[in-house]
Amino acid sequence: DGGITQSPKYLFRKEGQNVTLSCEQNLNHDAMYWYRQDPGQGLRLIYYSQIVNDFQKGDIAEGYSVSREKKESFPLTVTSAQKNPTAFYLCASSIETGWSEAFFGQGTRLTVV
Amino acid sequence: GQNIDQPTEMTATEGAIVQINCTYQTSGFNGLFWYQQHAGEAPTFLSYNVLDGLEEKGRFSSFLSRSKGYSYLLLKELQMKDSASYLCAVRSQAGTALIFGKGTTLSVSS
Repeated sequence: DGGITQSPKYLFRKEGQNVTLSCEQNLNHDAMYWYRQDPGQGLRLIYYSQIVNDFQKGDIAEGYSVSREKKESFPLTVTSAQKNPTAFYLCASSIETGWSEAFFGQGTRLTVV
Repeated sequence: GQNIDQPTEMTATEGAIVQINCTYQTSGFNGLFWYQQHAGEAPTFLSYNVLDGLEEKGRFSSFLSRSKGYSYLLLKELQMKDSASYLCAVRSQAGTALIFGKGTTLSVSS
């Protein structure tokens, strides 16, 4: 079955530690995205990538980093510089960043203690 | 700047019709999308408008007026399972990511 897989679903980390969230898709989509969702805030764009080895900052990129070494994978690292990392993180992909809709993974809920 | 506004909450009863409005102010326009999101789950795509007018998909319809920066999602014959958040999103330019509003939480009661 084609789709987007995020792992793990729940993640706990100690304050000050970096953590990497996985996002893999087998839809052969060119574009991939990372969003953060907080209660009452909607989805806010962290980073997006239109093609391999290229990515762009979104509205809230500070404290995050990404890589796009393969078409299928777009991991997100939440660094210790991110001041409030506890949130629901959603990865998405689309055929292109033109007219097509984005398909979302099931999300990773990160809790920093 | 870019701004997308939706009501925070709405309530309705089973079998009724509800209209969820969305207004946007963006640097450009390359399409407006509606998504449904149940609590703790991923958003799922409902509809897409790029030209003015009404797009109908079963119980769901979406309308767009580009000159007014306005869209609505119309849900007919409401069911309990329609209780969810409805997200309005705009792509301002080709080659950019979707920008989302804060979502409208719809509660359907019997």
